Amino acid sequence: DIQMTQTPSSMPASLGERVTISCRASQGISNYLNWYQQKPDGTIKPLIYYTSNLQSGVPSRFSGSGSGTDYSLTISSLEPEDFAMYYCQQYDSSPPTFGGGTKLELK
Amino acid sequence: QVTLKESGPGMLQPSKTLSLTCSFSGFSLSTSGMVVSWIRQPSGKSLEWLAAIDWDGDKYYNPSLKNRLTVSKDTSNTQVFLKITSVDTADTATYFCVRRGTTAYYFEYWGQGVMVTVSS
Repeated sequence: DIQMTQTPSSMPASLGERVTISCRASQGISNYLNWYQQKPDGTIKPLIYYTSNLQSGVPSRFSGSGSGTDYSLTISSLEPEDFAMYYCQQYDSSPPTFGGGTKLELK
Repeated sequence: QVTLKESGPGMLQPSKTLSLTCSFSGFSLSTSGMVVSWIRQPSGKSLEWLAAIDWDGDKYYNPSLKNRLTVSKDTSNTQVFLKITSVDTADTATYFCVRRGTTAYYFEYWGQGVMVTVSS
C-alpha cells in the first residue's frame, strides 16, 4: 500500500492567516491526490480532487498543488469555519489510502 | 440531491459478524460509473478504505481485510451492504458509506457515519 504522510499533525493558526498543509506519498502518485475536510461533528466533504481541482461549492481560498510524491493544500486567509481536520488521499493504486490528518486549530 | 445514510447494530460482541446497510437516494447504482464505497474511522484516527461495489456489480476489497469482507447491493440498486466477519475490538469505528465522483476518482458524497463498538 502507498503510505501518505501529512505534516504537521496539528497547526495553531489565526483568522486571516495563510496556511499550508503538506502531504507526502511513499512513491510517486501521478497527481492522483485528493483533499478532504472533516468538521468536529464528523461531517466529511471533499475540497480538492486530482491535486488542484476545486470541488463545486468550495471557496476559492482553498487551493492545491504538487507533483510526484509531494503535495500541499493552501488556505489563503483562514475563516472561522476552516478550523477542522484535513486529510489527503491517494488513488494512484489500490487500495486508496489516506494521510494521518492535520488538525487546524485556532491560535 | 444525493444522500447516503448508514445503519448498523451499534454494538456487538467479538467474533460475531457485523452487518451494515447504506441506504441512498438521488442516484441509482445501476447507472454507469456509479461506485459506492465503505470507509471507516476509529475514534481519533485516520480513515481506512474497506470495500467498494460498482454499477456493474464488480466488487473491490482492501487486501488487508479482504478475507473478512463482503460487499453487496440490493436488486433495486438503492442499498449497499457490508459484512465483516470475526470482528474484534480493532473493528470499533465509525463506518461511512461514500459515493465516488463521476468526473474523477474521489469520494464525493459521504454519509453521516454510523458508530460501531465491538465489546464483550
